[in-house]
Amino acid sequence: DQQVKQNSPSLSVQEGRISILNCDYTNSMFDYFLWYKKYPAEGPTFLISISSIKDKNEDGRFTVFLNKSAKHLSLHIVPSQPGDSAVYFCAANTGSARQLTFGSGTQLTVLP
Amino acid sequence: KAGVTQTPRYLIKTRGQQVTLSCSPISGHRSVSWYQQTPGQGLQFLFEYFSETQRNKGNFPGRFSGRQFSNSRSEMNVSTLELGDSALYLCASSALAGVPPTDTQYFGPGTRLTVL
Repeated sequence: DQQVKQNSPSLSVQEGRISILNCDYTNSMFDYFLWYKKYPAEGPTFLISISSIKDKNEDGRFTVFLNKSAKHLSLHIVPSQPGDSAVYFCAANTGSARQLTFGSGTQLTVLP
Repeated sequence: KAGVTQTPRYLIKTRGQQVTLSCSPISGHRSVSWYQQTPGQGLQFLFEYFSETQRNKGNFPGRFSGRQFSNSRSEMNVSTLELGDSALYLCASSALAGVPPTDTQYFGPGTRLTVL
């Protein structure tokens, strides 16, 4: 049973436009959500996080939105740059356990 | 501040052998977690260590084990290797600043294990 789902395996966006990556979860106990960016043969790089007590968190070009009632979160990248091309993973954590549950990832390609 | 380091970066082993992977967390970080990434299963949690104690364990067989030392460095061991153990093994550290865990886990570059 996949508790964190990223239903779009890939996304292509033109440089300068907005990239929107989506993530759905099923476990209502999740209370902390993170987005990571990953290049092949490297470890994930932390991008941005959000606690379940908030509905939005912004850091530069990256904004994460959380809709608890829909069990949905999204990552907005504005403006998108070719260097943003990578696999993006959403992850969730629950309670006091540092045990991240990851989605399957979305390959973002930003076209120049 | 130096990031999470993992050694070795690449390993080739044969079935039935055992392997030990090492992880040095970011200085000052006390929690170390291990994850396995495979094309079929994605990123899956193995276990977490804090103060030399395993605090949490994922759904992996007992062939997978780990430990943490007093300096927070951690090792992970896989015994009786199987072909399906071929994967990228990632270590992540966090400062364990608060509960609930709003501290971020920072990942190392991983160890690529190939089992022949």
